[in-house]
This record gives sequence, structure tokens and C-alpha cells, in this order.
Amino acid sequence: DAGVTQSPTHLIKTRGQQVTLRCSPKSGHDTVSWYQQALGQGPQFIFQYYEEEERQRGNFPDRFSGHQFPNYSSELNVNALLLGDSALYLCASTPGGGPRYEQYFGPGTRLTVT
Amino acid sequence: SQQGEEDPQALSIQEGENATMNCSYKTSINNLQWYRQNSGRGLVHLILIRSNEREKHSGRLRVTLDTSKKSSSLLITASRAADTASYFCATDVDGTASKLTFGTGTRLQVTL
Repeated sequence: DAGVTQSPTHLIKTRGQQVTLRCSPKSGHDTVSWYQQALGQGPQFIFQYYEEEERQRGNFPDRFSGHQFPNYSSELNVNALLLGDSALYLCASTPGGGPRYEQYFGPGTRLTVT
Repeated sequence: SQQGEEDPQALSIQEGENATMNCSYKTSINNLQWYRQNSGRGLVHLILIRSNEREKHSGRLRVTLDTSKKSSSLLITASRAADTASYFCATDVDGTASKLTFGTGTRLQVTL
């Protein structure tokens, strides 16, 4: 059973560009959350998708947007990249049905903005 | 923003010793979770303690929770070199894991 997968592993972009990161949740999971982790910091919640809709959102600007597909996979889009967007972007999925306490994290996408 | 802080920020011990790290948070919670992260990669869930629990054990892990002080501690007994990682506490306000709020993390180094 594959866990949470993310692509690409690493990405280098230039200021002002746009980027799309992808996530496939663990089998049987229907909810996907995205986190940004700056170097030396803990992850910060960006938003969560459930049933193809954004259910919760953290304190991030509208430049950060997302999408969830019918197969539960998800994309994170960031427009007008800033140097401060350089970080590890983590995707996490939560099991569908029943209590959903813990999140299962993917290996992350390392984004560098130059 | 981070929910709270963990201390120490960094901890270096020898194999076989115990490691204790602490987490403080700011708001009422449904549960608190601890995660481990190796070398800036994905996080792995370690243990969850609910707000009505005071102590929980899982293998070599022992977690305590004091809701009156809004603090938690994670004890790793008989540490191994493989325990070298960063450890984060995460709070869940409503028990749905909809929006975990992570602390700043403790970086643990276990040497032989």
C-alpha cells in the first residue's frame, strides 16, 4: 500500500513565476492538507481539501490556491512567487470515515525561489 | 503562526540515555500529537494524547499532558542513534485533524 506521494521532489523557480505541486493521498484517504515548513521551523497549515472543496484555510494569502480531484489527489498552486516562499511543502492525508485524528505525511517538495 | 514553543530547541545525548522534550501551547485543545521528522523530510506520527488524558505510553515513548498549564512532554527512554530527528508537537483544537498547529520543534541528536 503506497503512502502519501508528492511530486516533484525538488523545484527551483524564479521570483514572480508560478508553481504547481502535486500530492496523491494514501489509499482510502479522502482528505488532503497542505503545510509550508520554512527552514528550522515547524509546519504551518495552508489549507485542507475534502470532497473537492477547500474546507479550512490557514493564514496564507490568495496567491496560494489549491484543488482536489475526484480521485482525492490534490494540487497546490502558488502565484507570483516571492523569495519567502522558499520552503518544504508537505502534503498530508487523513482516513475517510470514522475518527480522523492523525495525519499521514508525504516526503515533501523542496521549493527554492531565486 | 506557531501554536507554541518546544524546548529545548536542541538536545544532544548519548545512546542509552533518556531524552525529554517539552511543548507549550496557547489555546484549548481536543488532543495533542507528537511527530518525528528525519532530515527535513515527511513527518511521522508517534503518539496522540486526548485532553482528558494525563499520561500515555507507546513502546519507549511516554507522553504527559497538563491542560491547566497548557503543556506536554515527550520522554524517549533508552535512546538509540536511530532516534536522531526533529520532534514536533501538534495541537488539534476540534478533534478532526482538520488544522493541526505545530510547535517549533526540538532537534534531538543521539550519539554512540
